Amino acid sequence: AQTVTQSQPEMSVQEAETVTLSCTYDTSESNYYLFWYKQPPSRQMILVIRQEAYKQQNATENRFSVNFQKAAKSFSLKISDSQLGDTAMYFCAFPMNTGFQKLVFGTGTRLLVSP
Amino acid sequence: DAGVIQSPRHEVTEMGQEVTLRCKPISGHNSLFWYRQTMMRGLELLIYFNNNVPIDDSGMPEDRFSAKMPNASFSTLKIQPSEPRDSAVYFCASSLPGNEQFFGPGTRLTVL
Repeated sequence: AQTVTQSQPEMSVQEAETVTLSCTYDTSESNYYLFWYKQPPSRQMILVIRQEAYKQQNATENRFSVNFQKAAKSFSLKISDSQLGDTAMYFCAFPMNTGFQKLVFGTGTRLLVSP
Repeated sequence: DAGVIQSPRHEVTEMGQEVTLRCKPISGHNSLFWYRQTMMRGLELLIYFNNNVPIDDSGMPEDRFSAKMPNASFSTLKIQPSEPRDSAVYFCASSLPGNEQFFGPGTRLTVL
């Protein structure tokens, strides 16, 4: 069965610093997507970044980038130049069916960015 | 685009009452998803639709829960009768096939 594990329940970082959130998953599929979602205190779920497994290049969206290690089944999120608005829960998500529609979410990492 | 729209944003009801949550997906998206988020169980997929047809409802917890999608722009999630353990945040999300899901703001349900 596909599983997603986020081993860091909480993390803290100061403004302008860099932080990395970890995520590991388990699958027997060879082609899939991986997602990071952000949930700020407003509770809105916001897509941060996505990675296609067939792409060797790591995805980047402005200050957010991933370190995708397919063989190790690892998908970490790096946030550079952290801002106060990055304070949120971050969820790693992985589709558990070949249609990429049934997402299974990790338990989340609560990130606190302090001044 | 207005994004995924959910109503109501907050619902407080008493045990035994019927609750109906509503969702309008993003125009053009033909996949719609209902999730439930609780502290204990995290974010769980309840049911999803493709082209208004329910594809997988294996996450629906009990027969008290039902979902419909009468057309491409509207879906409901109904709980009848509601129980205190149904208290949670319920999210609706929509997507194009095989693409990322866009979430609505959620409905916070409290059953007393």
